[in-house]
Parts: sequence; C-alpha cells; structure tokens
Amino acid sequence: DAGVIQSPRHEVTEMGQEVTLRCKPISGHDYLFWYRQTMMRGLELLIYFNNNVPIDDSGMPEDRFSAKMPNASFSTLKIQPSEPRDSAVYFCASSLEGRTGELFFGEGSRLTVL
Amino acid sequence: SQQGEEDPQALSIQEGENATMNCSYKTSINNLQWYRQNSGRGLVHLILIRSNEREKHSGRLRVTLDTSKKSSSLLITASRAADTASYFCRAGSYQLTFGKGTKLSVIP
Repeated sequence: DAGVIQSPRHEVTEMGQEVTLRCKPISGHDYLFWYRQTMMRGLELLIYFNNNVPIDDSGMPEDRFSAKMPNASFSTLKIQPSEPRDSAVYFCASSLEGRTGELFFGEGSRLTVL
Repeated sequence: SQQGEEDPQALSIQEGENATMNCSYKTSINNLQWYRQNSGRGLVHLILIRSNEREKHSGRLRVTLDTSKKSSSLLITASRAADTASYFCRAGSYQLTFGKGTKLSVIP
C-alpha cells in the first residue's frame, strides 16, 4: 500500500514567486495535516483537514499561505509570494484514527527561497 | 507553547548500550506517541501509549507514561548504529504539536 506522497521533493525558487506543494494522503485516511520543520522552530502544525474540510488553520503564518483539499486524495499548500524565511521542509501527514491518532508522514518537500 | 518537549536535546551512546529519552507535556491527553526521523526523511511512528496505560513494549522499545507527572519516557535497549536518528513525542490532545526532539547518535 502506498504511503503519503508529496511533491516536489525539492524546490528552489526566487523570492516573490508562487510555490505550490502537493500531497496525496493514504487512501481511506480522513485527516490530513500540513507541518513545517525548521531548525529554529522545530515542527510546526500549519493546518489540518477532516473529510476535506479545514478544521484549524491557526498555525498558518500569514495570508501568503493557503491550503486546499478539493477531494479526499489531494491537498495543496500554496505560498504566494514566497519569501526567504519560508525556506523549510514541509511535511504532509494523514491519519485514520482521528486528530490524535497515529500520523503517517510523507517524505517532505524541501523548499529553498533565494 | 509546545505540547511535547523532549529531553535531552542530544544523546550520544555506544552501540549495545541503552538509550533513554523523556517527554513532558502540559495538558490532559488521550495518548502519547513517539516518532523517529532519520536525516532528510519523514517521521515514522514508533509506538502509541494510551492515557490509561502505564507501560508498553514493542521489540526493543519500552515506553512508560506517568499522567500524574505529565511525562513519558522512551527506552531503546541494545542500541544499534541504525537507531541513530531524531526522536519526537506527540501528545494526543487538543494541541497537536511536537517538541524539538532528541537527537540520538549511536556510535559503532
């Protein structure tokens, strides 16, 4: 069974450009989480969805960040415009057993904004 | 504030020794989870202990939970070089955050 799939694995872009990160959760998992990991702040929860509906986006740092889940098998995290401080590894994770259940993580998207 | 905080931040041991890392949290929880992250990879779930459990084993892993002290510990017995990784706890509660992890180095 395929795990959580994220793309791209690596993205290098220039400040001001739009960045779109993609995630395909494990089939049947009804919770999807977006995390950001940096050395300074560790793992930060950005937003999570339940049955494709955003439940808590209080971790989204600014209006430049947006996330969507148009269907149960696809989610995007968009940054527009991107800034150097957005450089981080962005992880998507899904869960079958609710918001406090075991998380299955993708391999992450490493974003570098120059 | 972080719901799960791991201690120590870094730990270096010889292969074959046991490694113990700790996690503290702030509010009541449904469960507590431990994850491993190898360099450049995503987190992998290791073990989940429910709030009504005190101890749980999985292979070379032993997890304890003390809800009165709001703390948990992860013990890895007979460590191997392949155990070198960062270890994170996640308190299953209203807050869904992770701590900054314990970086474990196992020296062959």
